Amino acid sequence: SYVLTQPPSVSVAPGKTARITCGGNNIGSKSVHWYQQKPGQAPVLVIYYDSDRPSGIPERFSGSNSGNTATLTISRVEAGDEADYYCQVWDSSSDHLVVFGGGTKLTVL
Amino acid sequence: QVQLQESGPGLVKPSQTLSLTCTVSGGSISSGGYYWSWIRQHPGKGLEWIGYIYYSGSTYYNPSLKSRVTISVDTSKNQFSLKLSSVTAADTAVYYCARGMEWEPHDPWGQGTLVTVSS
Repeated sequence: SYVLTQPPSVSVAPGKTARITCGGNNIGSKSVHWYQQKPGQAPVLVIYYDSDRPSGIPERFSGSNSGNTATLTISRVEAGDEADYYCQVWDSSSDHLVVFGGGTKLTVL
Repeated sequence: QVQLQESGPGLVKPSQTLSLTCTVSGGSISSGGYYWSWIRQHPGKGLEWIGYIYYSGSTYYNPSLKSRVTISVDTSKNQFSLKLSSVTAADTAVYYCARGMEWEPHDPWGQGTLVTVSS
């Protein structure tokens, strides 16, 4: 089955740029979606199809995907961005299965 | 806008069957070609996809849970349901329902419901 690998944690100072990676075999050939989850809340979509932003998501959130790594980038990080972030793909090689990464805890210092 | 709401018992005994329902409001479960998913999150852990159902009844399950999972849809009530049999403490988790479509993200999600497996 397809595996997505995320770093358990990323720390960044306010105002700086956070980059959260999602690794997978030839992930660049897949579409990656990113979710933000704050404590006690359901996940919220922040990036879809690698780099598209849903309405209401700040432009500070962006995404890219190439080769074996997809990246969620958060510019000018704010305290309110502190959350867990998950990447997700559809694994067409395994009968249309949904795969999530293990999640990354973003800490704003 | 479409909203989803999970409901069901918050406590299930070991070896019994966990049953949850997701009620969809603001749109028809039969329209748009959407898949309707169940996803769970063990305490302090990441997201685990359980499976999904198409309004026509086609289902896809996580292979690790496939032998114990049944997802069904009731279009007349605009609901879909999850049954997980032979539960153990390892099935204690927050269970979410969500809407998806092939290749697309899951959006929106329900608020989630905590199910504890304990005697």
